[in-house]
Amino acid sequence: DAKTTQPTSMDCAEGRAANLPCNHSTISGNEYVYWYRQIHSQGPQYIIHGLKNNETNEMASLIITEDRKSSTLILPHATLRDTAVYYCIAALGAGSYQLTFGKGTKLSVIP
Amino acid sequence: EAGVTQFPSHSVIEKGQTVTLRCDPISGHDNLYWYRRVMGKEIKFLLHFVKESKQDESGMPNNRFLAERTGGTYSTLKVQPAELEDSGVYFCASSSRMGISPLHFGNGTRLTVT
Repeated sequence: DAKTTQPTSMDCAEGRAANLPCNHSTISGNEYVYWYRQIHSQGPQYIIHGLKNNETNEMASLIITEDRKSSTLILPHATLRDTAVYYCIAALGAGSYQLTFGKGTKLSVIP
Repeated sequence: EAGVTQFPSHSVIEKGQTVTLRCDPISGHDNLYWYRRVMGKEIKFLLHFVKESKQDESGMPNNRFLAERTGGTYSTLKVQPAELEDSGVYFCASSSRMGISPLHFGNGTRLTVT
C-alpha cells in the first residue's frame, strides 16, 4: 500500500467546513483512497472512498487531484461530534482488508 | 441493522492468564477481520476470515494468539498465556464483499494485562 501523509492536528470552527488534506504521492493506479475516522473510545468508522473521481455521500465529500497524488476530505458543516482522528488510507480495491491506519489527523471542532 | 458487537468491552487479567475475546459480525457478512492497537502504536491488522476459513493470518504476532470462527458466524480470539505487551484495544470488523465493501468496526475490547 502507498504511504500517506497527513497533518498531525487541525482545528475547525463549528458549522464551518473542515478540509482535511492527505498526500499520497506514490499511489499506484489501482489503489483507492479510503477515509476512516475514530471517535474517542469507538471503533474506526468508514467515511468514504474513491479512485479517480470526486465522491460525495451523506457524511462527506472526497476531492482527488487529477494526478491522484493528493486528496482532501471535506466535512461541509462540522459539528462537535465530528471531533475525531481521521485516517487517510491508500489500498487496493480488491483485497483491501489490510488497512494501514497510520497516525491520522486529530480534528478538533471548536464551539 | 445491528452493528459489529464485541464482548467484553474491557478485560483486566494477570500475566500468564488466558483471555478470550468474542466478536459478532453484522448478520450476513462473510468477511471478518481482527485488528489491534497496542499502547502508543497504530492500529494493525491481525487476520481475516472468509466464513469459517482463515484467509490471511499474516498479522498474528505469535502462537499465543488463536482465532476461530466455527460455523462462520461469530469469532473468538484467545490469548494464552497473556503477556504485558498484549495490552491494547482489539477491534473486530466485518464486510459483505471483500475489497469492495467498507469494513464495519466494532467498538473494541480493551485488554489490560498486569
